Formats: sequence, structure tokens, C-alpha cells
Amino acid sequence: GAGVSQSPSNKVTEKGKDVELRCDPISGHTALYWYRQSLGQGLEFLIYFQGNSAPDKSGLPSDRFSAERTGGSVSTLTIQRTQQEDSAVYLCASSSMGSSGNTIYFGEGSWLTVV
Amino acid sequence: EDKVVQSPLSLVVHEGDTVTLNCSYEVTNFRSLLWYKQEKKAPTFLFMLTSSGIEKKSGRLSSILDKKELSSILNITATQTGDSAIYLCAVVDGSSNTGKLIFGQGTTLQVKP
Repeated sequence: GAGVSQSPSNKVTEKGKDVELRCDPISGHTALYWYRQSLGQGLEFLIYFQGNSAPDKSGLPSDRFSAERTGGSVSTLTIQRTQQEDSAVYLCASSSMGSSGNTIYFGEGSWLTVV
Repeated sequence: EDKVVQSPLSLVVHEGDTVTLNCSYEVTNFRSLLWYKQEKKAPTFLFMLTSSGIEKKSGRLSSILDKKELSSILNITATQTGDSAIYLCAVVDGSSNTGKLIFGQGTTLQVKP
């Protein structure tokens, strides 16, 4: 597609439920990132996928968070047993690797509210 | 610990003013520095800087990197209300192939009519 596509754009869920957030990166981009931005906070790195390499999961805040990327394209971020502190905007980004750096493009985000 | 610090954290100006936003970094393995503008949810890309002293320009916006001072500035001239946004600075961590971005806290700019 023309840009990074995320769904749903908004999700309200009850505490304790599981949620899945989807990201469709820019066609041809091999790198995919998930970030989280809580209200009034900066962007927090969650996880990174690059091609067929093992993902960098160093930013996942707890074992309730997991992500997968099937076929090197679409990615799903899953949050199990959601808590109120999980409420945030979840941003997906993709890039093509360059020799001197990356231009990373973000999706519109999924706004998650846990009530 | 690698970190990126932006200043000021917030700024209020009037239309027509010129503003300078600052970004300093302490990143062990610097690859490049990026500036983003965030108005609603998604940050939009402004500039990528890799070489020191070379100014990048786009309309009223310009940016330059100083690797000696480990910093970058973003200038906006003749500001407009549409420039009101959060401006994010991020450094690409080159310590692995991940290209992970380390973000600053952002500078919230409000341009009043």
C-alpha cells in the first residue's frame, strides 16, 4: 500500500480481555517496528522485525505482550489480560534498510483504551 | 545509557516568529538523526541528518547536525498556526542491524494567531 496501515484505529476493551492490533507495512519495507505512546509521554520502543531475523523484543514491557510477523509483511501485536496502564496509542512503523540510516514511516496508530 | 534530550519541552510563539528547537544526544553508536512532526497520532517525517554541517531545508523548515557537539537544531521561520505540533527528534542506534530509534521527549510548539 501507499502507507503504513493500522487497524483498528480505536479500540475500547474491558480490563482482562485480550486485544490484537494489526499493522500492514509499506510494500517492500523489510523492517517493521512497534512503538507505544502513552498520554503525555514520549515514544517507547516495543519490538522490531527485520526480514527473517529473530525479532528484537527488548522493549516489550511484560510477557502479556507479544507480536508476530507472518510472511515478512503484516504484523499483529497481541496484548493479553489487558490492564488500564496498557491504554496508549500503539504506533507501527516500517522502513527499508539503507547504508547510512533509515527513514522510518509511521502508521496512524491504534488508540487503545482499557476500562 | 543512550539518550536523546530535546529543549525546550514546550514553546508558545506568535505567527511570524522564528523558532529554534534543540536536540542533543548521547548514543554510543550513532548512525543518523531524524526529525518528526506529530500533530495527531502518527509522527510524520521531516528530515534525516547523517553528515555534520550540511543544512537540510524544506520550505520554512531547516535542520542541521553538529556531530562535534552531539546535537541538532530544527529552525522554523515565519511560523504559522499550522506549525503547532509536537516535534520529535530521534537517533538511529547503529549498534546492531535493528536501526532502532531512540526518541527524545519532544518539543510542544504552539503558534498563536
